[in-house]
Amino acid sequence: EPEVTQTPSHQVTQMGQEVILRCVPISNHLYFYWYRQILGQKVEFLVSFYNNEISEKSEIFDDQFSVERPDGSNFTLKIRSTKLEDSAMYFCASSVTSLGGEQFFGPGTRLTVL
Amino acid sequence: QKEVEQNSGPLSVPEGAIASLNCTYSDRGSQSFFWYRQYSGKSPELIMFIYSNGDKEDGRFTAQLNKASQYVSLLIRDSQPSDSATYLCAVRALDSNYQLIWGAGTKLIIKP
Repeated sequence: EPEVTQTPSHQVTQMGQEVILRCVPISNHLYFYWYRQILGQKVEFLVSFYNNEISEKSEIFDDQFSVERPDGSNFTLKIRSTKLEDSAMYFCASSVTSLGGEQFFGPGTRLTVL
Repeated sequence: QKEVEQNSGPLSVPEGAIASLNCTYSDRGSQSFFWYRQYSGKSPELIMFIYSNGDKEDGRFTAQLNKASQYVSLLIRDSQPSDSATYLCAVRALDSNYQLIWGAGTKLIIKP
């Protein structure tokens, strides 16, 4: 069964460093998303991406965040200058349609900022 | 402020019984509703979605939607210990094609 994959599973970085989280969405999906979940808290929407551009972003997705689809398979989230409060699980998701639902999630990357 | 509310639990249910999970949402006019299951340390896994008022059944799971009351529920019949997880309710934001608004989840414990 097709699935979303994410690498790395765990990333440890120093505050102020740049990190890139990688995702490979399901191959026939057209819409891609990043979410984060701080330990013990709600899942939070960061950004959606379609046709090589951001379609929506939340207030969390400020100038330190960027997304890119560098080739036909990968979808990346870059955090330019990490802060302690960026420590969270970051989930990539993809869907076939734009209805915002039936999104399939990857296993997540646990980001720890020291 | 868009809100999706769930009782955090834990909800403890004997094995074989029916587990009933509830969710309310603030955006009247919301159209799309989703239930995800999340095991500890894992990613959310889609269980069911519902768009129309009434019941939708899939195996042991039934989603119920009442738009007038802004209420969506998930019933799990014949509960199994493997159903023990946190159940997340998500609602597509009214002014969005993409964004899901998430509840904090209800922790369900199935006791053998």
